[in-house]
Amino acid sequence: EPEVTQTPSHQVTQMGQEVILRCVPISNHLYFYWYRQILGQKVEFLVSFYNNEISEKSEIFDDQFSVERPDGSNFTLKIRSTKLEDSAMYFCASQDRGYAEQYFGPGTRLTVT
Amino acid sequence: AQSVTQLGSHVSVSEGALVLLRCNYSSSVPPYLFWYVQYPNQGLQLLLKYTTGATLVKGINGFEAEFKKSETSFHLTKPSAHMSDAAEYFCAVTLGSGSARQLTFGSGTQLTVLP
Repeated sequence: EPEVTQTPSHQVTQMGQEVILRCVPISNHLYFYWYRQILGQKVEFLVSFYNNEISEKSEIFDDQFSVERPDGSNFTLKIRSTKLEDSAMYFCASQDRGYAEQYFGPGTRLTVT
Repeated sequence: AQSVTQLGSHVSVSEGALVLLRCNYSSSVPPYLFWYVQYPNQGLQLLLKYTTGATLVKGINGFEAEFKKSETSFHLTKPSAHMSDAAEYFCAVTLGSGSARQLTFGSGTQLTVLP
C-alpha cells in the first residue's frame, strides 16, 4: 500500500542552524501539507501546497519557514534559523484530488538545542 | 473558521468495555470530519471519515462514529475495547475536498485500556 515517507526520523540541531525536513508523498497525490505537534500539544497546520505554490499558511509559518517541491517526488520544509520553540514532531501529509482524507507520514522529530 | 473540541484528554476503559471518545466541532459550513489514531512514536493513521451521505460511518479496527448535525458532534465508539486500542485519538475537521484545505485537529484523547 502506498505511503508517505519522511526523513530523517530524528534531527538534532543547534539554535540558529538551518534544517531541511524531507517528505516523499504518495505518488499520484496533488496536495501536500506540513503540520507540527509540539510535545503534549495538538497537531497544528503549517502550510499547504498545490500546483507548485503555497495554497494556505498558518500564523506559525513565518519568514523562517519555506517549502519546496524540487522534483516530482520530494516535498521539503526548510527552517532557516531554528529556535528552541521549533522543537516538535513535524508531519508531512498528502492528499489526492477529489478526496478529503490526508495521508500522514511517520514524522520527523526535530530537537533544537 | 472551524474548531474541534475533544472532551476528556484521558479516557480509561476496561478490556471488553465500550469505548466512547467525544468530539464536538464548530464550522460555518458543512464540515468533513475525521478520526485519526496515533500509536506511540508513530504518525497519524486515518480511522474513519464523514464527508456526505450516511451519518453513521464505520472505520478500521471496529470503530465507528456518528455525525449528528443538530448536536455538532462526531463521537467515536467501539463496542468492545482491546488492549491494542491504547493510543491517542484525534478528531479533525476540514471544509471540503478537491482542494488544499487544512485539517484542524482537536487536542486529542489518550485512551488507556485496562486488563
